[in-house]
Amino acid sequence: ILNVEQSPQSLHVQEGDSTNFTCSFPSSNFYALHWYRWETAKSPEALFVMTLNGDEKKKGRISATLNTKEGYSYLYIKGSQPEDSATYLCAFMDWSGNNRLAFGKGNQVVVIP
Amino acid sequence: DGGITQSPKYLFRKEGQNVTLSCEQNLNHDAMYWYRQDPGQGLRLIYYSQIVNDFQKGDIAEGYSVSREKKESFPLTVTSAQKNPTAFYLCASRSEGQNFPHSGNTIYFGEGSWLTVV
Repeated sequence: ILNVEQSPQSLHVQEGDSTNFTCSFPSSNFYALHWYRWETAKSPEALFVMTLNGDEKKKGRISATLNTKEGYSYLYIKGSQPEDSATYLCAFMDWSGNNRLAFGKGNQVVVIP
Repeated sequence: DGGITQSPKYLFRKEGQNVTLSCEQNLNHDAMYWYRQDPGQGLRLIYYSQIVNDFQKGDIAEGYSVSREKKESFPLTVTSAQKNPTAFYLCASRSEGQNFPHSGNTIYFGEGSWLTVV
């Protein structure tokens, strides 16, 4: 079983503030790292798929970085808005060839107006 | 619209009964997955299928069974052998097509099914 850790598990952010959280994953046999946003009563929605060390991706006010050598990815939210309230899931895939994603427990973000 | 449909959204089951959760996708994806989520836990893989008529056990397959007779359908049966079946179940699919450099293909999810054993 692949170990994927996300921290902090939950955080409250004041509207307008920026925040970030971490996903740690095995540094060997890296294939891909996924970030998903999961809003209550909806399906998880893909944010980023990152495959190369040093990758930086951006979607609006949300961005992510990837360090495959040390096994971590950061997700940043700039100028948080209430609609950013969600659980952010990180998922790791290795080169084992079985096409399985191992998920972390998620970072639950609540933006306070 | 293309997507993944799970049904039913809410299901109550008596102890000792089998129940089948439906998952249908019209995305023409080769791979399909079933995950389970419990409070305070991440998504845990139950079963997955990379192609029609083939499937593999995930990390928590005991007490579950699946079939993949059609590309678009991947039903999950929760059997009476599953000791703690009350949970949220999430179905997903992914395209197996790969181009170099690989895209790491995104997974698409259904909206989930809540199963409660009463």
